[in-house]
Amino acid sequence: EPEVTQTPSHQVTQMGQEVILRCVPISNHLYFYWYRQILGQKVEFLVSFYNNEISEKSEIFDDQFSVERPDGSNFTLKIRSTKLEDSAMYFCASSDGLAQETQYFGPGTRLLVL
Amino acid sequence: AQSVTQLGSHVSVSEGALVLLRCNYSSSVPPYLFWYVQYPNQGLQLLLKYTSAATLVKGINGFEAEFKKSETSFHLTKPSAHMSDAAEYFCAVSEGPGGGNKLTFGTGTQLKVEL
Repeated sequence: EPEVTQTPSHQVTQMGQEVILRCVPISNHLYFYWYRQILGQKVEFLVSFYNNEISEKSEIFDDQFSVERPDGSNFTLKIRSTKLEDSAMYFCASSDGLAQETQYFGPGTRLLVL
Repeated sequence: AQSVTQLGSHVSVSEGALVLLRCNYSSSVPPYLFWYVQYPNQGLQLLLKYTSAATLVKGINGFEAEFKKSETSFHLTKPSAHMSDAAEYFCAVSEGPGGGNKLTFGTGTQLKVEL
């Protein structure tokens, strides 16, 4: 069964450093998403992406964040200058965009900013 | 704006007992509702979804949920808990059909199943 994959599974970085989280969505899907979950809190929407541009973004998704689909398979989330409060589990999801769509989630990347 | 409230951050049941995980939603448009499960160190897996068809929705692993508009609820149930059901369960709502609609999640309920 096709699945969403994410790399790395864990990343530790120093405050102020740039990180890139990578995702490979399901191959025939058209919509891509990033969500995050700070430890002990709810899963929060960050951004959705369709047709090579951002469809919607939350207030969390400020100028420090960017997304890109650099080729036909990868979907990346970049955090330019990490802050302590960026420490969280980041989930990538994809969907085929049809009515009654289901978003399929990857296993997540746990980011720790020191 | 949409929101979801999950009552009870932790629920503990005995193996073989009924599982009931509560979810109430708030939405200005007819909602699409989802239950996801997260096993340790894994991603979110869809259990079931309500998309304005039948109000009683059956999902994987013997779970089902009933959409009750009058109560704005979408509670998840399973008649008989199994040890393998121990996981975190998330209720989520989206704005409707079509692509690109974000999910708004509840805070999750950790289900513990005891012998």
